Amino acid sequence: EAQVTQNPRYLITVTGKKLTVTCSQNMNHEYMSWYRQDPGLGLRQIYYSMNVEVTDKGDVPEGYKVSRKEKRNFPLILESPSPNQTSLYFCASSFRDNYGYTFGSGTRLTVV
Amino acid sequence: AQSVTQLDSQVPVFEEAPVELRCNYSSSVSVYLFWYVQYPNQGLQLLLKYLSGSTLVKGINGFEAEFNKSQTSFHLRKPSVHISDTAEYFCAVSDRDGQNFVFGPGTRLSVLP
Repeated sequence: EAQVTQNPRYLITVTGKKLTVTCSQNMNHEYMSWYRQDPGLGLRQIYYSMNVEVTDKGDVPEGYKVSRKEKRNFPLILESPSPNQTSLYFCASSFRDNYGYTFGSGTRLTVV
Repeated sequence: AQSVTQLDSQVPVFEEAPVELRCNYSSSVSVYLFWYVQYPNQGLQLLLKYLSGSTLVKGINGFEAEFNKSQTSFHLRKPSVHISDTAEYFCAVSDRDGQNFVFGPGTRLSVLP
């Protein structure tokens, strides 16, 4: 089944403890992206990647890192999480820019 | 840079009634337009997209949207809604390089029995 898989689905952590949210797609998509969803703000892009080793900042990149060493994986790294990063995170992938994104099921992160 | 406005944050409607969810965008370049649906506790699912050609686009679940370049709008419509259409709907715009994919704030559609 073609899909974008994120792990974990739920995560509670403490301020300052490094964490990684994994994202993997099995559709050989070139484009991958991370979004955070907050009430009243919709979805905001954190980082995106157009291919292996090609990443760029989205609208809200501060406090996040990404890497794209393989085409299928696009992990999101929070080096020192803070409570304002409590949010619902989505990974998405797309074959090309005009195909529309396929989204993962989301990761609900709580930083206390 | 693009931006997307969804004027209605919540739209309640009775079952079997028609519905229109409004979306307006601003961009200085040609764009692609999308509508996504998010059911409770799920990710986003693509409903339909406009790339070029016919301005009336049909999507899944009986939804359609019309691109109006002069009004910079891409409103979503369904002639008769079902309870199962209760969800949040997001309009999105992308420039033709695919590098600026921006979502609107969303419209919560509540279908009432």
